[in-house]
Amino acid sequence: EAGVAQSPRYKIIEKRQSVAFWCNPISGHATLYWYQQILGQGPKLLIQFQNNGVVDDSQLPKDRFSAERLKGVDSTLKIQPAKLEDSAVYLCASSLSGRGNTEAFFGQGTRLTVV
Amino acid sequence: GENVEQHPSTLSVQEGDSAVIKCTYSDSASNYFPWYKQELGKRPQLIIDIRSNVGEKKDQRIAVTLNKTAKHFSLHITETQPEDSAVYFCAASRANQGGKLIFGQGTELSVKP
Repeated sequence: EAGVAQSPRYKIIEKRQSVAFWCNPISGHATLYWYQQILGQGPKLLIQFQNNGVVDDSQLPKDRFSAERLKGVDSTLKIQPAKLEDSAVYLCASSLSGRGNTEAFFGQGTRLTVV
Repeated sequence: GENVEQHPSTLSVQEGDSAVIKCTYSDSASNYFPWYKQELGKRPQLIIDIRSNVGEKKDQRIAVTLNKTAKHFSLHITETQPEDSAVYFCAASRANQGGKLIFGQGTELSVKP
């Protein structure tokens, strides 16, 4: 089966610019996650969608980050304006059910460098 | 808030030796504990998971043990091979949080031939 697709793979922007990432989850997966992985650390959840509704965005810096999942399929994550500390890999993951205890499949990630 | 601590941060073993990575979690309601392997520049991939109704699970050279009372779980890799070299992450979640995974900090495993 096709995996989780993300684009772009790499992005370099200057601080205060804006950037957007795109994710296409595995077909039929109801739950979609965006994680931020800073170099040398474990992934940290930014936002979780169940279909097109937000389940958890408690860790999302809402003053600069936004995310949407239109029609309960693809999702975009936006940062505006970017800061140096936003440099990280942004991982999208999806799972069949949001009831927990089911495998989360990860995309390749988007490596963001803010200079 | 919820927290998962993982040790050691780096681990170097000789090929054929065993490797053990340990994690502790803070949320006593956690009931699902997956382990992910992440090779350099690649996506994390699930290698094994365990649910709270089981104390141990094995899959060929990989095993995971869970001690709910102590709130810790461990990954055991036997007969290590160079291709086992990667960063390993433990994670914990509970069903009523919609499967939100809380990850440990990662362990960089190096298997020397």
